[in-house]
Amino acid sequence: AQSVTQLGSHVSVSEGALVLLRCNYSSSVPPYLFWYVQYPNQGLQLLLKYTTGATLVKGINGFEAEFKKSETSFHLTKPSAHMSDAAEYFCAVSDTGANSKLTFGKGITLSVRP
Amino acid sequence: DGGITQSPKYLFRKEGQNVTLSCEQNLNHDAMYWYRQDPGQGLRLIYYSQIVNDFQKGDIAEGYSVSREKKESFPLTVTSAQKNPTAFYLCASSVQLPPAAFFGQGTRLTVV
Repeated sequence: AQSVTQLGSHVSVSEGALVLLRCNYSSSVPPYLFWYVQYPNQGLQLLLKYTTGATLVKGINGFEAEFKKSETSFHLTKPSAHMSDAAEYFCAVSDTGANSKLTFGKGITLSVRP
Repeated sequence: DGGITQSPKYLFRKEGQNVTLSCEQNLNHDAMYWYRQDPGQGLRLIYYSQIVNDFQKGDIAEGYSVSREKKESFPLTVTSAQKNPTAFYLCASSVQLPPAAFFGQGTRLTVV
């Protein structure tokens, strides 16, 4: 079975600072990987996904993530945090077979200090 | 505009009553999902459906039921057998591969 680990429940950064949210996965084969963002009392929005090809994936709102097979990681980064980035972020994994479905991490809350 | 509509946004029910949450999508996606979200626990899969008239249990299906009579609709019933139904419920849909899900805005159910 696949699983996702997001260490810690809360990250706080200053506006303009680097954002780094960590995600490690457990899978017997290279999976599909996803990052989602959730603002309070709303649904989730897809930030970016890795399926095949280039391991550095660029998403919306200036976020990017790099798939590192040797480290089983898919960390999310943004060079300069903005106040509007404050939200909860979820990493998710799926296998690549038919009828695959997502398995989510527990999420991490990002706070941005002015 | 294409998307997923969940209704209502807030729902209050008395303990022991069944309640049905609506989910409609016009994205022409084959797969639909129901998740439950509790603080600090992430999203947990309740039920999913890959095709009309077929659905499978997820990780926490006890006390819930679903139907998939139309491609566009995937209603979730929270029954009186669900021990702790107060939660935020999210519906999603996706293409088959990769299953990058589009989410509705959620329904917050409070049972009193």
